[in-house]
Formats: sequence, structure tokens, C-alpha cells
Amino acid sequence: QVHLVQSGSELKKPGASVMLSCKASGYTFTTFAIHWLRQAPGQGLEWMGWINTKTGNPTFAQAFTGRFVFSLDTSVSMAYLRISSLKPEDTAVYYCARVYPSGSFPHYWGQGTLVTVSS
Amino acid sequence: NFMLTQPHSVSESPGETVTISCTGTSGSIASNYVQWYQQRPGSAPTTVIYEDNQRPSGVPDRFSGSIDRSSNSASLTISGLKTEDEADYYCQSYDNSNYNWVFGGGTKLTVL
Repeated sequence: QVHLVQSGSELKKPGASVMLSCKASGYTFTTFAIHWLRQAPGQGLEWMGWINTKTGNPTFAQAFTGRFVFSLDTSVSMAYLRISSLKPEDTAVYYCARVYPSGSFPHYWGQGTLVTVSS
Repeated sequence: NFMLTQPHSVSESPGETVTISCTGTSGSIASNYVQWYQQRPGSAPTTVIYEDNQRPSGVPDRFSGSIDRSSNSASLTISGLKTEDEADYYCQSYDNSNYNWVFGGGTKLTVL
């Protein structure tokens, strides 16, 4: 059974950095990419991009270039999202997700990590 | 860029049928599959329809999806509404110009 378990909530000050984790289980980690999505309070879902779990090559949506880094530790089936120079508008729930086995749409989701950026 | 537009909210009574639309702009909605997600407060989204009209196992057949090329829209129809269907619903597809996933803004379904 596929599970994605994300790290706990974070409270950070503006200008700080944060690293979120997403641990996958129930399948061979390098078989499927990991995608990251953001949901600001009361808002909709935004796709941030994805990381190729075989090669480590990341792809970012245009709105998420520069301060966002995707990384992996394939030895423990973990994916990471690092956000630097945090701004109050980065306050959101961040989800990792994996696609359906025979499709290219998000089907397996982590439970989400709330990041709050406030002074 | 390809975008998806949904109504902000819809409401209907228990037992009735509701349809939520998802209109594509700057591209054909039929170019790629459309998915629909249900999101309850405080929870991650779950797939209720994939590839335009397919239901994952465990999703009741009260949920159905369709595509209307003439209006460049996708629709999610929920029949026999139950109070437990009250949630936010998002459509999702792809932007062929940059291979990005695209989501509609979400529709809040109230069952009252």
C-alpha cells in the first residue's frame, strides 16, 4: 500500500529557511516521480514542480524558481523541499504527491505540512 | 497558458443531483485528461474521477465525469447527494505549452 508521510508543521520567521520531508513507502521509490504542491490558506492547489527520483533532476513551475529546491535521499525513500528566504506569503500547506500507476495525475498524497511564516 | 475555471460555490439538497463545471481557457480541454479531486477541510485531496470519466476503486458510482467539447468544459456530476459529499472539488489537467499540471480554483459544495 502506497503511503507518503510528511514532516510536521513549521513556524519560521521571514528570511529563514525550511526543509520539508516526504517519506514514501509501499513501492519502489525510484519508479515514480515526486511532485510538490502548495495550498495557501483558503486558496486552491498550485503545482510547484516535480523531481525525477531516478536522476534527481528537478523541474519547477515558473512561479517556483529561485528560492525552492527539490532533493532526494533514495537510500531511505525520502524527498525534500527546501524553501529559502521565507516570506509571509509562503505560509501554506505543502503537499508531496505521486502519480497513479498507469497515469500521470496525482493520486497518492502526503498529509501535508503547514508552514507558517510570521515575525 | 492553459487555465481551468470553476464556479466558486454550488449548493444543493440531500438526495438531489449537482453538476460542477470546469472550463478550459487558452486551449482545448479535450487535449488532455481531466481529473477531479475532493478535499475535505484539513485533509489532502482524494481522486474521485480520473481520465475524464473513470472512478478509482472505492468511489461510489454516484460520482461521474464527462467532457463537452462544444463548451470546452469538463463536468463532475454527483447524484443522490449526501451530507458527506460536502467538500471542495478541484478539476486538474495539463498545460501542453509547458507540461505543467493545472488546477481549477476549486468549487465549494454545500449540501443542505
